Amino acid sequence: AQSVSQHNHHVILSEAASLELGCNYSYGGTVNLFWYVQYPGQHLQLLLKYFSGDPLVKGIKGFEAEFIKSKFSFNLRKPSVQWSDTAEYFCAVSPFSGNNRLAFGKGNQVVVIP
Amino acid sequence: GAVVSQHPSRVICKSGTSVKIECRSLDFQATTMFWYRQFPKKSLMLMATSNEGSKATYEQGVEKDKFLINHASLTLSTLTVTSAHPEDSSFYICSVNPTGTDYEQYFGPGTRLTVT
Repeated sequence: AQSVSQHNHHVILSEAASLELGCNYSYGGTVNLFWYVQYPGQHLQLLLKYFSGDPLVKGIKGFEAEFIKSKFSFNLRKPSVQWSDTAEYFCAVSPFSGNNRLAFGKGNQVVVIP
Repeated sequence: GAVVSQHPSRVICKSGTSVKIECRSLDFQATTMFWYRQFPKKSLMLMATSNEGSKATYEQGVEKDKFLINHASLTLSTLTVTSAHPEDSSFYICSVNPTGTDYEQYFGPGTRLTVT
């Protein structure tokens, strides 16, 4: 069964600091990869996605993620965070040949201190 | 992106009763919708795939007779928690996979169920 691992569940950092959230998955086949964000009191929103092509993917709000196939990783980064980036971030994986079912990681609670 | 609504947003019910949660795709048709359950401080767990006009596909360990799913139209899927128990208390979230798109999922705001 596929699984998705996210480490450091709670992350606290100051504005302008850089953020990197790790995501590793266990699935042998080709996968589609996603990062979702859930702002306080809001529903899940797509930050970025990777299907194929350039392994460095740019998403909304200055976020980017890099797919490293050899490491089964899809880490999320932002060079300089803002207070408004306070949210929970979820990595999700879907098998390429599947029916779009998503397996989620446990999430990273990120708090940005002004 | 697609707008997805859920109703109700919160519901409290007594143990043994049944509760129906609606998921609507407001601006896209969706042959496929998904139902997730989110426990406190845990990730979303996929419960089932709701297929318009056919039976839902349940994930391993999810009781299909307890969590009834009906996807009667291209814009509406319902999840009914039958004979609810306190351990069914959770946050239930649906997502929509708009017809004609491959991998996009758009999520509803969720329904908080509390069983007393």
